Amino acid sequence: RKEVEQDPGPFNVPEGATVAFNCTYSNSASQSFFWYRQDCRKEPKLLMSVYSSGNEDGRFTAQLNRASQYISLLIRDSKLSDSATYLCAVTGLHTGGFKTIFGAGTRLFVKA
Amino acid sequence: GAVVSQHPSWVICKSGTSVKIECRSLDFQATTMFWYRQFPKQSLMLMATSNEGSKATYEQGVEKDKFLINHASLTLSTLTVTSAHPEDSSFYICSASRGGDQPQHFGDGTRLSIL
Repeated sequence: RKEVEQDPGPFNVPEGATVAFNCTYSNSASQSFFWYRQDCRKEPKLLMSVYSSGNEDGRFTAQLNRASQYISLLIRDSKLSDSATYLCAVTGLHTGGFKTIFGAGTRLFVKA
Repeated sequence: GAVVSQHPSWVICKSGTSVKIECRSLDFQATTMFWYRQFPKQSLMLMATSNEGSKATYEQGVEKDKFLINHASLTLSTLTVTSAHPEDSSFYICSASRGGDQPQHFGDGTRLSIL
């Protein structure tokens, strides 16, 4: 089993739809959680950090469920420009220090 | 801010050439820098982690003599692909972190094509 798992998708949604991605992690000692966005042939860009209390940034809401060991990303009112691959990242203490594990990514296509 | 610059963006060269890629954190001190490789439509693959002033830690299966990493300062890390061959062609991306559980910030990536 991978340490961080995501549904690879692709998710095909119409403009204006609400879409949610989940990401599960296996290390219960994980401490920090992030969502990144990666456009085709580009580098990943930090979208938002994920806090225990949940956090919102415009149309994007991220939540953390420590008990079930997953994080989620909700995108409301999808735009064409939201089409990208969304990567979750989980940071925890391993032998030798902190280590961040990235999920393989979930592809999103938003269509007109 | 957290800006990471990577140079060059594109490299096309002959087989057997050594290629050096630079990664700079422009507006913060990066305790830790990371080097990834990504093949088309595949996920990020961590190659190595480097801390300023110490030897890089390579992931299993990554040849340290092939991929030389230097992290001489808190703002600069370099990856040298020695005697590159066509199978080394890939998208190489660096990232930098302030350390601990802080997020990684990625450079623009370097697309390497070996003919």
